This record gives sequence, structure tokens and C-alpha cells, in this order.
Amino acid sequence: GNSVTQMEGPVTLSEEAFLTINCTYTATGYPSLFWYVQYPGEGLQLLLKATKADDKGSNKGFEATYRKETTSFHLEKGSVQVSDSAVYFCALLQGGSEKLVFGKGTKLTVNP
Amino acid sequence: DTGVSQDPRHKITKRGQNVTFRCDPISEHNRLYWYRQTLGQGPEFLTYFQNEAQLEKSRLLSDRFSAERPKGSFSTLEIQRTEQGDSAMYLCASSPRTRSPSADTQYFGPGTRLTVL
Repeated sequence: GNSVTQMEGPVTLSEEAFLTINCTYTATGYPSLFWYVQYPGEGLQLLLKATKADDKGSNKGFEATYRKETTSFHLEKGSVQVSDSAVYFCALLQGGSEKLVFGKGTKLTVNP
Repeated sequence: DTGVSQDPRHKITKRGQNVTFRCDPISEHNRLYWYRQTLGQGPEFLTYFQNEAQLEKSRLLSDRFSAERPKGSFSTLEIQRTEQGDSAMYLCASSPRTRSPSADTQYFGPGTRLTVL
């Protein structure tokens, strides 16, 4: 079945450091790929998405590129801020399905 | 656009009691979803509605769980005879119509945190 694997957390960085959170997936065909973010005490918010191979999703300085050949969708940000501290979830949506499949989440803490 | 709202935000109940949660989707979103999230895990799909029709149910949705969306607007999720293992965050999400530009995006509410004692 479809699955998403994220790098284990927690991840702790200093402000202005470079961030990478790895995400790989298993699916048939060409799923849509998403990154959601969950700030403390809040619900999931869509951060970015990509719907086909080689697409790059970007938002708020975060980027992720849909790599079909490596079945990956790694999240990157060049310079993190304290306000980026949250839990990040990678997810996929298989074509023809309505069911989002999530990874376990990666908790990011950014220290000043 | 007001977002997806859920009520209550927190619910504490004793084992064996019934509980009901409500979800109000973004207006004009015809698709509605329920997920369950346990501590340290990503959300897991429970069920999906298109308008008032329940089109998909996960095997996670045991006989004690029932979801409705009677008029194709708000939805309720009821858990009967709650067990300690039901303790989790219950998330609701909605999506616009299939041919909308953001049709593949699910917008989540803040969740209802259930604690079963």
C-alpha cells in the first residue's frame, strides 16, 4: 500500500541555519505530494504541494521538489526562524483516492 | 473564508460513555473528511463524504464509530462505548469541488482532543 517515511525527529537548529527534512514515499503512479505544518496548539496547515514530477512547491521560504526517480519530496529552507518551530508532516494523495497518507511527522525546534 | 471549525475542542469522558463531535467545513466545500491522530503519529484517515454520501470508510472505523453528514453541510462523528484506546485528536478536513483549482487540497480544522479515562 501507499506509505510515507519521514526522517525521525526531533530536529533542533539555531536561528538562520539551513533546514532539510527528508521525505520518501511508496505509491503507484503519480501521487500528489504535500507538506503540512502543525504549530503548537493549532491544526494542520498546508505549507506547500507538488502535483507532478519535477514540480517545485514553495511557500514562506520553504521549498520541496517532487523527485520521481528517488520517490522523494524533501523539505528545505535556507534560513530558519524561531517562528518555524512546529511539527512538519509529509503526505501523499494517490490519484483516484481521497485519502491523504501521512508520515509520522518531524518536530523542529529553532533556538534564538 | 472562515476555516473548518470543530466542536468541542476538548472532551474528557469515562470509559463506556458515548461522545459526539461536530465539524463545520468551509462553506461551499462539498467534500469532508475525518482523521484520527495519536501522539507522535501522523493523522490516519477514517472516513470521507461527498455531499451527504459517505463514500469511503477505513477499517479503523470500528462498529462503535459512526459518522453522518445529513444535509451535506456539517458532519458529526459519534463514538459509542468509548475505550481508553480511543483517546486521540480527531481532525476534520474539507475540500472544494473536484474541478476547483485547489481540489486536491484538504483544509484542516483545529481538532477535537478526546481523553477517555
